[in-house]
Amino acid sequence: KAGVTQTPRYLIKTRGQQVTLSCSPISGHRSVSWYQQTPGQGLQFLFEYFSETQRNKGNFPGRFSGRQFSNSRSEMNVSTLELGDSALYLCASSYTGSYNEQFFGPGTRLTVL
Amino acid sequence: DQQVKQNSPSLSVQEGRISILNCDYTNSMFDYFLWYKKYPAEGPTFLISISSIKDKNEDGRFTVFLNKSAKHLSLHIVPSQPGDSAVYFCAASRAGGTSYGKLTFGQGTILTVHP
Repeated sequence: KAGVTQTPRYLIKTRGQQVTLSCSPISGHRSVSWYQQTPGQGLQFLFEYFSETQRNKGNFPGRFSGRQFSNSRSEMNVSTLELGDSALYLCASSYTGSYNEQFFGPGTRLTVL
Repeated sequence: DQQVKQNSPSLSVQEGRISILNCDYTNSMFDYFLWYKKYPAEGPTFLISISSIKDKNEDGRFTVFLNKSAKHLSLHIVPSQPGDSAVYFCAASRAGGTSYGKLTFGQGTILTVHP
């Protein structure tokens, strides 16, 4: 069974730009969660989607948004990039989002200059 | 407010010996706990999980212990191998509602296994 895939793996943007990251979950998984990893804050939950609906959102500004498509693939978007948005962005998929192990993709390394 | 804490930033162990990684949590609503291993520039890899109705779960060389009264869990790796060298994260979740799809992670412990 193929794992979680994320594209692109690396991205360099400048302040003020916007970026879209993509995540394809494991086949059959309907829940996709997004996390931000930084050296200072560790792994922080961004949001979760299930059946094209956002069910949960972490404590991030509205510049961070996402969506999920009918095939469970998900995208996250960050608008008006700031230097502090430089991070590893990870997506994880699971069957239901509760009491399930989450399986992570390799991440997208975003650098904002 | 750090709800999941791994108080040891690093741990060094000799090959073949036991590695014990510890994790404490403060939120009594957490009822599902997981351990992940992470190499640099890769996503976390799931290792083992435990539900709050159990106090122990084993999978090969990995055993997780849960002490709910102390709000403490630990991961035992026996025997430790050099390939186990990585960052280990514990994570916690609670069922449903505003907790869908959310894992709360500790800060991680760097495990180094020496040959």
